[in-house]
Amino acid sequence: KAGVTQTPRYLIKTRGQQVTLSCSPISGHRSVSWYQQTPGQGLQFLFEYFSETQRNKGNFPGRFSGRQFSNSRSEMNVSTLELGDSALYLCASSLKLAGGFLGDEQYFGPGTRLTVT
Amino acid sequence: TQLLEQSPQFLSIQEGENLTVYCNSSSVFSSLQWYRQEPGEGPVLLVTVVTGGEVKKLKRLTFQFGDARKDSSLHITAAQPGDTGLYLCAGVGNEKLTFGTGTRLTIIP
Repeated sequence: KAGVTQTPRYLIKTRGQQVTLSCSPISGHRSVSWYQQTPGQGLQFLFEYFSETQRNKGNFPGRFSGRQFSNSRSEMNVSTLELGDSALYLCASSLKLAGGFLGDEQYFGPGTRLTVT
Repeated sequence: TQLLEQSPQFLSIQEGENLTVYCNSSSVFSSLQWYRQEPGEGPVLLVTVVTGGEVKKLKRLTFQFGDARKDSSLHITAAQPGDTGLYLCAGVGNEKLTFGTGTRLTIIP
């Protein structure tokens, strides 16, 4: 079974631009979660989508948005990029809600390394 | 806001030694997960603990969930170079995962 794939793997953007990152979950998984990882803040939850609906959102500004398609693939968008948005963006998929009562096993992709200059 | 503090932040020890990593919070979690992340890859789930006081063993790794479900520990016996990586705990609660600050472990051959 293929793992979680993320594209692109590396991206360099300029301040003020916008970016779209893509995530293909493991076949059959209905939940996709997005995280931002930085050396200073660690791994922080952005949002989780389940069956095309955003189920929960972390403490990030509205410049960060996402969506999920009927085939469970997900995209996240960051508008008006800032230098502080430079990070590794990780996507994870799970069969059930990762944030459900007892959680569910998440499988992470390799991430997209975004550099904002 | 739920916070998970891990200690130590960095740990470098010789092969064969034992070590313990701690994950502490003031919040109660319905379950707690431990992950290991290697450079260039996403985190990989090692174990999930659910019941207060629960102990799980995975070969040389022993995981314990605190009685009050606010803290956890990871003990590694006879560490090997292959154990090198970033260890992350993650608490499940409020419909999301909250990750700990991480422990970067280096095992010196």
